[in-house]
Amino acid sequence: AAGVIQSPRHLIKEKRETATLKCYPIPRHDTVYWYQQGPGQDPQFLISFYEKMQSDKGSIPDRFSAQQFSDYHSELNMSSLELGDSALYFCASTALRDRASYEQYFGPGTRLTVT
Amino acid sequence: QKEVEQDPGPLSVPEGAIVSLNCTYSNSAFQYFMWYRQYSRKGPELLMYTYSSGNKEDGRFTAQVDKSSKYISLFIRDSQPSDSATYLCAMRAPGSSASKIIFGSGTRLSIRP
Repeated sequence: AAGVIQSPRHLIKEKRETATLKCYPIPRHDTVYWYQQGPGQDPQFLISFYEKMQSDKGSIPDRFSAQQFSDYHSELNMSSLELGDSALYFCASTALRDRASYEQYFGPGTRLTVT
Repeated sequence: QKEVEQDPGPLSVPEGAIVSLNCTYSNSAFQYFMWYRQYSRKGPELLMYTYSSGNKEDGRFTAQVDKSSKYISLFIRDSQPSDSATYLCAMRAPGSSASKIIFGSGTRLSIRP
């Protein structure tokens, strides 16, 4: 079965640079979520989109922005990167419109390292 | 205090043992409960989800929810070394349709051959 696709899988950036992470949800899923997971920590919610509109917002820094496109893929844009941004970034998706199911399926993650 | 509390472990049991993993939560508005398994450096994998109080069984896994006590459990029967991973409970926060889920801190489980 198709899963959530994230790219790139690994990314190394320097401080103050910009990074863009991409997420392709499971086919027919209309909702995406972004999470950040630091070493030894549980995933922390950043932001979510339903039908291309921002739905919920968590602890996302102002330096980060995200959007969902017409094909339902999503991009997380991170600017002025700091060392503390080094983490695993997960995207999750679900299908709310058709089934109103709330279980979220996670992608493999993007490992961002800021040096 | 976190909204979802989970013993971080580590928990080490011999192969074949029954494993019990637990979480407590404080917000009675939580309605949707999930268990995820996460291997090192991998994405969380959804194992079980349930909406109501009671038991739900899937193979060797049983999820149990007690809303009156705000307590959820995951039981693993006939545990295998391949079950060694971090197990995260998660709950859907009340609010919009695309509400976030809130995770427990995860329990590291090790199954000894």
